[in-house]
Amino acid sequence: DAGITQSPRHKVTETGTPVTLRCHQTENHRYMYWYRQDPGHGLRLIHYSYGVKDTDKGEVSDGYSVSRSKTEDFLLTLESATSSQTSVYFCAISEDSRSGPQHFGDGTRLSIL
Amino acid sequence: GESVGLHLPTLSVQEGDNSIINCAYSNSASDYFIWYKQESGKGPQFIIDIRSNMDKRQGQRVTVLLNKTVKHLSLQIAATQPGDSAVYFCAENYGGSQGNLIFGKGTKLSVKP
Repeated sequence: DAGITQSPRHKVTETGTPVTLRCHQTENHRYMYWYRQDPGHGLRLIHYSYGVKDTDKGEVSDGYSVSRSKTEDFLLTLESATSSQTSVYFCAISEDSRSGPQHFGDGTRLSIL
Repeated sequence: GESVGLHLPTLSVQEGDNSIINCAYSNSASDYFIWYKQESGKGPQFIIDIRSNMDKRQGQRVTVLLNKTVKHLSLQIAATQPGDSAVYFCAENYGGSQGNLIFGKGTKLSVKP
């Protein structure tokens, strides 16, 4: 398995609270991605990073921010969580964004009450 | 987790039979395709990929076929085993910003012993 660790694996929190999810990789891959997965939808890209301090928005970026201060860590922050952000969040990494697969962590199940 | 499999098309096969899972992709400009397997409570796992200059690629017990004329991708699993039970989905790289992927919603494969 690709060396990807997501933390926490499960979290329950209340509406309006800030939440930060962490993705840590040991593969030294340049590209990192945050997705959410919901029933009835395929994986949807939230934000991605193409290097340290280089990030860009994905399809469903509203309400989320990211930071990448080191190659190995990519953080996803919900500044003020809402119930619509209840989801399973996956981090992925890739060496080559155009011709190589993305490898995924095992996800964080986030419930916002 | 389990919610990934809800509302998905289901393919039920007998152990030992061959399985064929289909995927229609959306963008004729897509030039790289990936199949993933996702087991309950886990992240998507890379199975096999194929580039648009190929029609067929084989791996261990799996074969991917690409028909660019009708924008169709299939995954064939030989001698299906109970451990193959999972949700399978395809992804296409349409060549957009940073080579981001578009994911299909998936097919749930159920293997009967």
